[in-house]
Amino acid sequence: KQEVTQIPAALSVPEGENLVLNCSFTDSAIYNLQWFRQDPGKGLTSLLLIQSSQREQTSGRLNASLDKSSGRSTLYIAASQPGDSATYLCAVPSGGGADGLTFGKGTHLIIQP
Amino acid sequence: GAVVSQHPSRVICKSGTSVKIECRSLDFQATTMFWYRQFPKQSLMLMATSNEGSKATYEQGVEKDKFLINHASLTLSTLTVTSAHPEDSSFYICSAPSRVAEETQYFGPGTRLLVL
Repeated sequence: KQEVTQIPAALSVPEGENLVLNCSFTDSAIYNLQWFRQDPGKGLTSLLLIQSSQREQTSGRLNASLDKSSGRSTLYIAASQPGDSATYLCAVPSGGGADGLTFGKGTHLIIQP
Repeated sequence: GAVVSQHPSRVICKSGTSVKIECRSLDFQATTMFWYRQFPKQSLMLMATSNEGSKATYEQGVEKDKFLINHASLTLSTLTVTSAHPEDSSFYICSAPSRVAEETQYFGPGTRLLVL
């Protein structure tokens, strides 16, 4: 059974810092990995999707990397802003085909103004 | 982009009553939808896969008779929490995969259920 772990569980940094969020998964036989953002009491916003054949994806100040063989992914946030404060979730497909996702518990990020 | 809506956004009910939550894909068709549950400070847990025109597939440990799922059309799936109890209080979120790229999933805004 796939398990996803995210470290750290919480992070608080001053505005402007670059930071890295970590995600690991137990079954490396994934075909993609996604990073989401969740604001309090809200649904999910997809940030980046990395296919298994890719090493990284970039969107604005966000960069996600994937090392499938070691079962790890990182989300790099450059020049953090208070608006980046949210919970960041990492997820991988639970199985083959059009499948539900297995999520990590998330990293609760606070960017101090 | 594709949008998934949920209704209601928030519901409070008495213990023993049933609550229906709707999940709609607004500008695309979805033969499959997924239902998740999220307890406070916990991650999303997949409950079931809703299949249009056939029975839902439930994850291990999820009672199918308690969480009734109906996917009557290509744009609507409903989750009914039957005989709700306080321990069913949670945040319920649905998602639907893109028809263009199935690995892209669009999530609804979630429904907050509080059972008194």
